[in-house]
Amino acid sequence: GNSVTQMEGPVTLSEEAFLTINCTYTATGYPSLFWYVQYPGEGLQLLLKATKADDKGSNKGFEATYRKETTSFHLEKGSVQVSDSAVYFCALSKPLTGNQFYFGTGTSLTVIP
Amino acid sequence: DTEVTQTPKHLVMGMTNKKSLKCEQHMGHRAMYWYKQKAKKPPELMFVYSYEKLSINESVPSRFSPECPNSSLLNLHLHALQPEDSALYLCASSQGVWRAVMDTGELFFGEGSRLTVL
Repeated sequence: GNSVTQMEGPVTLSEEAFLTINCTYTATGYPSLFWYVQYPGEGLQLLLKATKADDKGSNKGFEATYRKETTSFHLEKGSVQVSDSAVYFCALSKPLTGNQFYFGTGTSLTVIP
Repeated sequence: DTEVTQTPKHLVMGMTNKKSLKCEQHMGHRAMYWYKQKAKKPPELMFVYSYEKLSINESVPSRFSPECPNSSLLNLHLHALQPEDSALYLCASSQGVWRAVMDTGELFFGEGSRLTVL
């Protein structure tokens, strides 16, 4: 079946530290991959996405590369800010086969000054 | 317009009340979703409407009743809820045009309706 495995949190980093949140997936075919972010008290926002192997999604200094050989989509940022404190969800969808969307468990990130 | 709008943002209700959550999108999306989310957990799928027809009901109790009046609107009617139903209720939409190459399956979320059941 389809699933997403995400690094457990919570993660606490100092401002300007390097961030990696690991995400691996299991899926047949060619899923699309996403990172969503949820700031405190808000809904989910798309952070970045990639729709085929070797695509790199990027936004707001965050990056993730769709690696089919390792079935991974790790999120990275070179220098985190306090404003990046949020919960991050890795997700996949199978857009050509119906309404199938799968979330990871979420990773809570706190960035301290 | 790339927004999904949900109302109300906050709702407090007693266990005997009847209330409704509303969701609207004007992106021409043909699939709309209700999710329930507890704090710092992933959203849990409740219902999916595809082309205004209910296509997925994830064994949700009948005290939650979805309705899709047209392709832009989605409602969730609430009746006789329990305190454990307190959560953030998220509406989402996607293109839902299956087998269309341009459809990446991305979900567009609203800000959510935070429900408290007393």
